[in-house]
Amino acid sequence: AQSVTQLGSHVSVSEGALVLLRCNYSSSVPPYLFWYVQYPNQGLQLLLKYTSAATLVKGINGFEAEFKKSETSFHLTKPSAHMSDAAEYFCAVSEGTGGFKTIFGAGTRLFVKA
Amino acid sequence: DAGVIQSPRHEVTEMGQEVTLRCKPISGHNSLFWYRQTMMRGLELLIYFNNNVPIDDSGMPEDRFSAKMPNASFSTLKIQPSEPRDSAVYFCASSTGEGQHGYTFGSGTRLTVV
Repeated sequence: AQSVTQLGSHVSVSEGALVLLRCNYSSSVPPYLFWYVQYPNQGLQLLLKYTSAATLVKGINGFEAEFKKSETSFHLTKPSAHMSDAAEYFCAVSEGTGGFKTIFGAGTRLFVKA
Repeated sequence: DAGVIQSPRHEVTEMGQEVTLRCKPISGHNSLFWYRQTMMRGLELLIYFNNNVPIDDSGMPEDRFSAKMPNASFSTLKIQPSEPRDSAVYFCASSTGEGQHGYTFGSGTRLTVV
């Protein structure tokens, strides 16, 4: 069965600092992996996705994530935080084949200090 | 494209009343998902449809919940009778394929049962 663990329910960074949000997954088959962002009172928006092509995936708003099979990780990074990055971020896994379920992590709330 | 459209955005109802949430997926998307989001339980998959057919409803909390998708452009989630513990934000999402492309979420319906 697939599962996702996000390390840290809250992360606080200063504006201009590196953003690192951690995600580990468990899957019985090669997974599809995603990061979503949720701003207050809005739905989730897809940031980026890994679908077995390049292990370093670039997304919107300057975010990127690296798939590391040996570590079963898919951490999200951004070199320089902006105030507008303050939101909740969700890592998600889907096994895809024969099924349509995507399982979401518990979320990490990112705070950006001026 | 207007995206995934959910209505109403907010619903306040009294315990015991019937509640109907509505969703219009993106045209051409063949999979539709209903999620519930609460602080305590995070994002929970309630049910998903593929080509208008319910594939997995194992996440539906109990018989008070039901969902239908009469055609490719419309789905409903009904709660009858509603209870205070049903208070949550309910999201509808749609996608193509088997989950490898990620989902497009609606803006959600915030349900409050008093």
